[in-house]
Amino acid sequence: GAGVSQSPSNKVTEKGKDVELRCDPISGHTALYWYRQSLGQGLEFLIYFQGNSAPDKSGLPSDRFSAERTGGSVSTLTIQRTQQEDSAVYLCASSFPIREVWQETQYFGPGTRLLVL
Amino acid sequence: AQKVTQAQTEISVVEKEDVTLDCVYETRDTTYYLFWYKQPPSGELVFLIRRNSFDEQNEISGRYSWNFQKSTSSFNFTITASQVVDSAVYFCALSERGYSSASKIIFGSGTRLSIRP
Repeated sequence: GAGVSQSPSNKVTEKGKDVELRCDPISGHTALYWYRQSLGQGLEFLIYFQGNSAPDKSGLPSDRFSAERTGGSVSTLTIQRTQQEDSAVYLCASSFPIREVWQETQYFGPGTRLLVL
Repeated sequence: AQKVTQAQTEISVVEKEDVTLDCVYETRDTTYYLFWYKQPPSGELVFLIRRNSFDEQNEISGRYSWNFQKSTSSFNFTITASQVVDSAVYFCALSERGYSSASKIIFGSGTRLSIRP
């Protein structure tokens, strides 16, 4: 596709339920990132993929959060047993590392707005 | 540790005024990248500019200009003759080499810019 796409765009769930958020990166982009943006806050890094592997999971806030990426393309962020503090916008970004990954520009999707009741 | 500070939480100006958004960063690395992103009400982060630490030339793109000064660790963004469509949250960000060549952008907390007609 032309840009990074994310689904669903909005998700309302009840506390304790599991949710899956999907990210489809720009075609050909090998690096993929997940961020969380709480209301009125900056962006908090969650996890980064290079291909299908995740060299940096340092930002995952708890073991209720996990992410996977298959086929070097689509990624799924799963939150188990959701809590109200998980309510946020979850943003996905991708980049095509021509040089080293840290030198590249990340392009963001529109985000998934998650509300946990 | 790396850090990005956007001291201006909110700015409101009248259309056609010039406005400067401040960004101050901290890093121990000599090689790093700085970014500005725009987040309009729709929520999607839009990439504006990337600057590497070895290039201190100021840049102008239409009504946008950026002033990078390593001596003061600042990377300020000026909008000339502001327009209502410039209303958004603007994020400054820093990327530096991490372990395993992973890339983790550190974002500032953002400046909410409102342009009044």
